[in-house]
Amino acid sequence: GDSVTQMEGPVTLSEEAFLTINCTYTATGYPSLFWYVQYPGEGLQLLLKATKADDKGSNKGFEATYRKETTSFHLEKGSVQVSDSAVYFCALSDRAAGNKLTFGGGTRVLVKP
Amino acid sequence: DTGVSQDPRHKITKRGQNVTFRCDPISEHNRLYWYRQTLGQGPEFLTYFQNEAQLEKSRLLSDRFSAERPKGSFSTLEIQRTEQGDSAMYLCASSPQGQGGSYGYTFGSGTRLTVV
Repeated sequence: GDSVTQMEGPVTLSEEAFLTINCTYTATGYPSLFWYVQYPGEGLQLLLKATKADDKGSNKGFEATYRKETTSFHLEKGSVQVSDSAVYFCALSDRAAGNKLTFGGGTRVLVKP
Repeated sequence: DTGVSQDPRHKITKRGQNVTFRCDPISEHNRLYWYRQTLGQGPEFLTYFQNEAQLEKSRLLSDRFSAERPKGSFSTLEIQRTEQGDSAMYLCASSPQGQGGSYGYTFGSGTRLTVV
């Protein structure tokens, strides 16, 4: 079945540091890929997405590129802020599986001033 | 568009009691999904509807769990004879039919269930 593996946290960074969160996936079909963010006490928010190979999703300074050859969708941001402190979830949606989302375990990011 | 609404936000119940949660999706969204998230984990799929039809149920959804979407609008998730292991955040999401893969999904804020 489909699965998503992402690096475990917590990841602790200083403000303006570079952030990378690794995500790899397995899927029976040709999935769409997502990053969701969950701020403390809030629900899941879609951060960015990519629907086909080599697509780059971007939003709020975050980027991720759909790499079919390495089955990866790593999240990056060049200069993090304290407000980026949150839990980040990588997820896939597979049309062959009814388009339901399969999530990774989440990576907690803490940015210190 | 008021987003996806879930009610209640928090529920504390005694073991053995029944609880029911409600989800109101975005009005034009045909598909509605339920997920469960335990502390420190990613959300896990429970079930989903296309209009009023329940198309898939996860093996996580034991016989004590039942979900309905009677008129293809709001949905309810009922847990009978609650157990402490049912304590979790229950999330609802909706998407336009067949477009979840390209559209993404809109999630509600969730219902946090605590079984004591």
